Amino acid sequence: GAVVSQHPSWVICKSGTSVKIECRSLDFQATTMFWYRQFPKQSLMLMATSNEGSKATYEQGVEKDKFLINHASLTLSTLTVTSAHPEDSSFYICSARPPGLAAPTDTQYFGPGTRLTVL
Amino acid sequence: KNQVEQSPQSLIILEGKNCTLQCNYTVSPFSNLRWYKQDTGRGPVSLTIMTFSENTKSNGRYTATLDADTKQSSLHITASQLSDSASYICVVRGSNDYKLSFGAGTTVTVRA
Repeated sequence: GAVVSQHPSWVICKSGTSVKIECRSLDFQATTMFWYRQFPKQSLMLMATSNEGSKATYEQGVEKDKFLINHASLTLSTLTVTSAHPEDSSFYICSARPPGLAAPTDTQYFGPGTRLTVL
Repeated sequence: KNQVEQSPQSLIILEGKNCTLQCNYTVSPFSNLRWYKQDTGRGPVSLTIMTFSENTKSNGRYTATLDADTKQSSLHITASQLSDSASYICVVRGSNDYKLSFGAGTTVTVRA
């Protein structure tokens, strides 16, 4: 099955620093990747949709200058949390959608997540 | 606004017992509904996916049902095991775009 990896699995950083999280599709090319944030005991919240070679589309309320997304290749998307603050501490999950699958059976494959703790 | 509501919020069952989780949605037009299992500190893993024409789908001890007319789905876990302890998330995709509507999840705790 399709595998999506994330690196790092967890990171602790000081307030004001920037943190980069990588999302890779290991056995398929993903033209579209998605970034989610999940707070404790809550469900996933879509932050942005990342399309290879173009600018990401951010959901309402998500600061694009704070959460920088780069999707430079068909297998890699990165999320950079700039000038991180304690309120950015969360579980960040990416997903990737294999090309060639159309509705209604298309699906997204999720990465294992990255736990960010900002001190 | 498309919504997905799950119940109960959490439940505790004894190992070997069965349980059923509920999902109601308002997403329209509807494309498909998926159930995911999310272990603590991990990403969601797909259990089942159903389109509007499918009424039931099984994956081992997991059986999902779908009533597209009433916009309801259920996930039945048979002969629960300790490893079934996780959050189960109902996710609905509309047919207009690729965005997914997530339920808040049901946390299942299986005790020996």
